[in-house]
Amino acid sequence: AQSVTQPDIHITVSEGASLELRCNYSYGATPYLFWYVQSPGQGLQLLLKYFSGDTLVQGIKGFEAEFKRSQSSFNLRKPSVHWSDAAEYFCAVGARTGFQKLVFGTGTRLLVSP
Amino acid sequence: NAGVTQTPKFQVLKTGQSMTLQCAQDMNHNSMYWYRQDPGMGLRLIYYSASEGTTDKGEVPNGYNVSRLNKREFSLRLESAAPSQTSVYFCASSVSVSGTGLDEQFFGPGTRLTVL
Repeated sequence: AQSVTQPDIHITVSEGASLELRCNYSYGATPYLFWYVQSPGQGLQLLLKYFSGDTLVQGIKGFEAEFKRSQSSFNLRKPSVHWSDAAEYFCAVGARTGFQKLVFGTGTRLLVSP
Repeated sequence: NAGVTQTPKFQVLKTGQSMTLQCAQDMNHNSMYWYRQDPGMGLRLIYYSASEGTTDKGEVPNGYNVSRLNKREFSLRLESAAPSQTSVYFCASSVSVSGTGLDEQFFGPGTRLTVL
């Protein structure tokens, strides 16, 4: 079964600074990978996803993520953080066989300081 | 186009009471899901319905039942609520057309449930 680890519970970044959120997965083959964002009091919104092909994936709101098979990682990046990016971010992994359920990481809460 | 809607938004129950959380989607999606979100635990799948007429257990099904009423609606029932079921519950849906890869799940706004 697949699993996801997000090692950072909280991260604080200054507005305008770059951001990298870490995600490591465990799966026997190349999985489907997702990043979701949850603003306070809201449901989850998809930022980006990786299925196959180019390992650098572009998403909404200026986010990107890079799939690195050798490191079993799918880290989320943004070159310049805005105050509105403060939220909780979830990495998720899906298997390529069977019914395609997602397994979510425990989330990383991003705080943006002025 | 409302997407995924959930009712109620907030609920307080006493231990042993029952209730049903309602979820509906207007995107003609085939698959629907119920998750619970607890601090430090991320989202955990309770039940899912791959298609109309089918339901299956997820990671944490104990204490819950579900009904896929039709293609649009997927309800979650707590027969005898316990304090351990205090959580935020999210419903989600996805297209899930076979052979097209894993589709994006669209989430509702959540139901915040407190069991005293």
